[in-house]
Amino acid sequence: GAVVSQHPSRVICKSGTSVKIECRSLDFQATTMFWYRQFPKQSLMLMATSNEGSKATYEQGVEKDKFLINHASLTLSTLTVTSAHPEDSSFYICSASIAGVGEQYFGPGTRLTVT
Amino acid sequence: GIQVEQSPPDLILQEGANSTLRCNFSDSVNNLQWFHQNPWGQLINLFYIPSGTKQNGRLSATTVATERYSLLYISSSQTTDSGVYFCAVHPGNTGKLIFGQGTTLQVKP
Repeated sequence: GAVVSQHPSRVICKSGTSVKIECRSLDFQATTMFWYRQFPKQSLMLMATSNEGSKATYEQGVEKDKFLINHASLTLSTLTVTSAHPEDSSFYICSASIAGVGEQYFGPGTRLTVT
Repeated sequence: GIQVEQSPPDLILQEGANSTLRCNFSDSVNNLQWFHQNPWGQLINLFYIPSGTKQNGRLSATTVATERYSLLYISSSQTTDSGVYFCAVHPGNTGKLIFGQGTTLQVKP
């Protein structure tokens, strides 16, 4: 149990376009989901906390207008990278926990390349 | 904010060897998780361990919360154990996870 999926797994887009990444909890309901970013050979950095039915909470230094987060249901959160630029190229990973503050389960990640 | 330090940063082992990975954290935490990130980037949950010791096959983990550290033991290592091992802590009740920098393990046949 506790499976989290992400779609797409890999995306290439042109500079200036927007990209949407979906994160789904497949076998449990998640009131809270989290979005992380990972650069090559580095650790995961928390970008934002996504709460179902309310606004996301962004970490310091993360542009909320650039990284739009929507948590429309208890099983789906989306991250939209708006007006993407090459420096936004990264590995984006989402996670979810059953109890909101308990053990987190991670999706397989989405590799974004902006050309 | 809380600091999470992992050691060693890199580790090379021969197949069959044992190893210990360490995670130190600078403040009290509600919980702690160990993960293995495979070559495709997937984070695999190993342990959810606020205190005490847990074992799962060749892996075991011990967290001493009062002394702010956790250890991950890998016994009889196999080439498939290669990858990056992350420790991450839950500070407070926000549900957030703060990650250490990871230990990159390479197991040679």
